[in-house]
Amino acid sequence: NAGVMQNPRHLVRRRGQEARLRCSPMKGHSHVYWYRQLPEEGLKFMVYLQKENIIDESGMPKERFSAEFPKEGPSILRIQQVVRGDSAAYFCASSTDRSKNIQYFGAGTRLSVL
Amino acid sequence: GENVEQHPSTLSVQEGDSAVIKCTYSDSASNYFPWYKQELGKRPQLIIDIRSNVGEKKDQRIAVTLNKTAKHFSLHITETQPEDSAVYFCAASTSSPGQDMRFGAGTRLTVKP
Repeated sequence: NAGVMQNPRHLVRRRGQEARLRCSPMKGHSHVYWYRQLPEEGLKFMVYLQKENIIDESGMPKERFSAEFPKEGPSILRIQQVVRGDSAAYFCASSTDRSKNIQYFGAGTRLSVL
Repeated sequence: GENVEQHPSTLSVQEGDSAVIKCTYSDSASNYFPWYKQELGKRPQLIIDIRSNVGEKKDQRIAVTLNKTAKHFSLHITETQPEDSAVYFCAASTSSPGQDMRFGAGTRLTVKP
């Protein structure tokens, strides 16, 4: 079991560009969660998805941010027109149907906006 | 929604001493309380969890206690070692669809040799 895979591990973007972060959940996991972590701070919930459905996006900014988890392929967190304040570590976690509380984290994507 | 508060934000102990980190939560429907350890530059890793049908759980040097009435839970690490140094996060969630996990702000634990 390869665990939760995130790529890229590091992403550098200039202001105004788009950032795409990918997350492949653990095998057998159908629930995906995205979190943002600013330096020296905690994990802020952004969005919770199941296959083809957004369950809870209450933590995601209304503009520029979107997430999807298609039937095939990884979950994508997309940030359009990035600004310096978007610089952070973005972690993805996944869980199963039966124990959807228990979340396993990926290694994260560190986004730097120049 | 759920609000989780965690204290202290930093904690420094001597090797061999015990460390205690406390969290409170606001949603009485929360029934699952995990603790994650995050080393510098690494992913958060689940170290122990507890569900609301038990009051205490222990795994070697780590234990977690839960007081549902008071809505607080604590992490206890005994015989601390330098490799315990990390940031620890508590979290709370329910099993209801659409209700997701909320994390505390974290505690930076330093174990001095």
